Amino acid sequence: ILNVEQSPQSLHVQEGDSTNFTCSFPSSNFYALHWYRWETAKSPEALFVMTLNGDEKKKGRISATLNTKEGYSYLYIKGSQPEDSATYLCAPYNYGQNFVFGPGTRLSVLP
Amino acid sequence: DAGITQSPRHKVTETGTPVTLRCHQTENHRYMYWYRQDPGHGLRLIHYSYGVKDTDKGEVSDGYSVSRSKTEDFLLTLESATSSQTSVYFCAISGMTSGDYEQYFGPGTRLTVT
Repeated sequence: ILNVEQSPQSLHVQEGDSTNFTCSFPSSNFYALHWYRWETAKSPEALFVMTLNGDEKKKGRISATLNTKEGYSYLYIKGSQPEDSATYLCAPYNYGQNFVFGPGTRLSVLP
Repeated sequence: DAGITQSPRHKVTETGTPVTLRCHQTENHRYMYWYRQDPGHGLRLIHYSYGVKDTDKGEVSDGYSVSRSKTEDFLLTLESATSSQTSVYFCAISGMTSGDYEQYFGPGTRLTVT
């Protein structure tokens, strides 16, 4: 079972602040990494699928980067809005393993 | 939204009774997964399927069994429910579109074992 860590566990930011959080995973046999956004009482929704070292993906105010050699990915949110409040999950996929979801970072954006 | 449904959406059952949860997809995706949501653990994989009649265990498979007799249906069975199996269960599907295995989740089933 992959050891996947996400930090911080939770954070509170003011509306308009930019923020970022980290997903760490074993770098050996890396295949892909997914980021999901999970709102309370809803189902997780895919944000990004990243496969190549140095990948950068962007969707609106949210972007992500990937470093497969050192085993981490950053998720950035620019100008946070209350509707960004959710838990953000990363899920790396390594050859020979199943997807393993990290414990998530719970973001609360205060108006 | 991906065509994926779960039934029932809510269930309360007693310890020791069998329970079956159903996941149904209309996307013809090859892969189907059952996860449980637990505080502090996020989502943990119970079982998954990579084709009809092809299933394998995940991280927390003890006490659960699965079956997939058709592409569109993936059943999760708790043979004898225990209180530790109280959780929210999510089904997910994925296909190897561009090799990315992006997962689409169902709405979840809230199971309470009393």
